[in-house]
Amino acid sequence: ILNVEQSPQSLHVQEGDSTNFTCSFPSSNFYALHWYRWETAKSPEALFVMTLNGDEKKKGRISATLNTKEGYSYLYIKGSQPEDSATYLCASLTGANNLFFGTGTRLTVIP
Amino acid sequence: GAVVSQHPSWVICKSGTSVKIECRSLDFQATTMFWYRQFPKQSLMLMATSNEGSKATYEQGVEKDKFLINHASLTLSTLTVTSAHPEDSSFYICSARDLGGMGTQYFGPGTRLLVL
Repeated sequence: ILNVEQSPQSLHVQEGDSTNFTCSFPSSNFYALHWYRWETAKSPEALFVMTLNGDEKKKGRISATLNTKEGYSYLYIKGSQPEDSATYLCASLTGANNLFFGTGTRLTVIP
Repeated sequence: GAVVSQHPSWVICKSGTSVKIECRSLDFQATTMFWYRQFPKQSLMLMATSNEGSKATYEQGVEKDKFLINHASLTLSTLTVTSAHPEDSSFYICSARDLGGMGTQYFGPGTRLLVL
């Protein structure tokens, strides 16, 4: 079992604020880092798959960076909107092709 | 985008009964599907990897005789919780990886199981 940790556990921000949260994972046997967005009563939605150290990916107002040497990834949301409210999950993919998930960061954007 | 459906979304059953959960990839073929379980305030934990046409691979601590997995086609995997007990009450969610994916897994909406 891989120890993937996310912080903070939950977060409340005002609409329009920018925010970020962290995912840390063991750097050994690393293959890829996945970010998912999970709204209540819906399926987790894949945001990014990142593999290379220094990778930075962007999707609209959401972006992510990856540091495989020190074992962390940041997810950034610029100008948060109420529809961004969700739980954001990260998962580390090992060479054995298993995804190990963190417990998620629950984001609430207050209008 | 790739869509995975999962049925039922909610199950309440009596202790000792068996419950079958279906996971379907609707618009792509999946040789590999995954079954996860999530207990309150914990992370998604992989239970087993379901391989089309062959036996599932179970994670350590998951009883293969209790959690029967069948992956008979490229679009359907089923998880049967046999002789369910209250401690099996949990959130079960499946995912599928498409044939050409970068390892991206597409998730179903999950099944909440309550065993009385």
